[in-house]
Amino acid sequence: GESVGLHLPTLSVQEGDNSIINCAYSNSASDYFIWYKQESGKGPQFIIDIRSNMDKRQGQRVTVLLNKTVKHLSLQIAATQPGDSAVYFCAETRSGGYNKLIFGAGTRLAVHP
Amino acid sequence: GAGVSQSPSNKVTEKGKDVELRCDPISGHTALYWYRQRLGQGLEFLIYFQGNSAPDKSGLPSDRFSAERTGESVSTLTIQRTQQEDSAVYLCASSLGGRPDTQYFGPGTRLTVL
Repeated sequence: GESVGLHLPTLSVQEGDNSIINCAYSNSASDYFIWYKQESGKGPQFIIDIRSNMDKRQGQRVTVLLNKTVKHLSLQIAATQPGDSAVYFCAETRSGGYNKLIFGAGTRLAVHP
Repeated sequence: GAGVSQSPSNKVTEKGKDVELRCDPISGHTALYWYRQRLGQGLEFLIYFQGNSAPDKSGLPSDRFSAERTGESVSTLTIQRTQQEDSAVYLCASSLGGRPDTQYFGPGTRLTVL
């Protein structure tokens, strides 16, 4: 069936290092993708999005890469900080009107000093 | 308020009891969503409200689950005859229209069914 999944359930990095969180999707009709950050006890928070007509988009310390050929999405966090420790989810949908977001299982990022 | 609020923050109930979870969306947001998040898992879509349109109930797992929304304000998710597998965090989100990039989440209600 259609799904959004993640390669790594947990990722441990040293403070200051770069982090890369990966996500695979299987619905070729999806053309809009979002990364969310969820801290303990809180709801998910929008980080960055990308449409299928792009292969890269940058924000503040974050970059999302989209490879439509292999249906792969990644989130890169530069100079990871302790405050980046959270669970990160990718989500996919089709743009245009209302379409449900389909979430992946999530990757926990642990940043060590 | 400035964000989406949910109440209660925690709910412990006994198997077989009914529960009601409340969501107050951001003022002016016409769309409202309910999700379920089991421990260590991603978000499962439950139901979507948009203005006066018929809600999208396609994610409700059984007829024990129902939700209502009054206009473009408060929503209530009701679970009847709760089961242990209903234990999860129930998240509400609201957005401008159906735009997912404007979807803001509440802190969730943690439901524990004993």
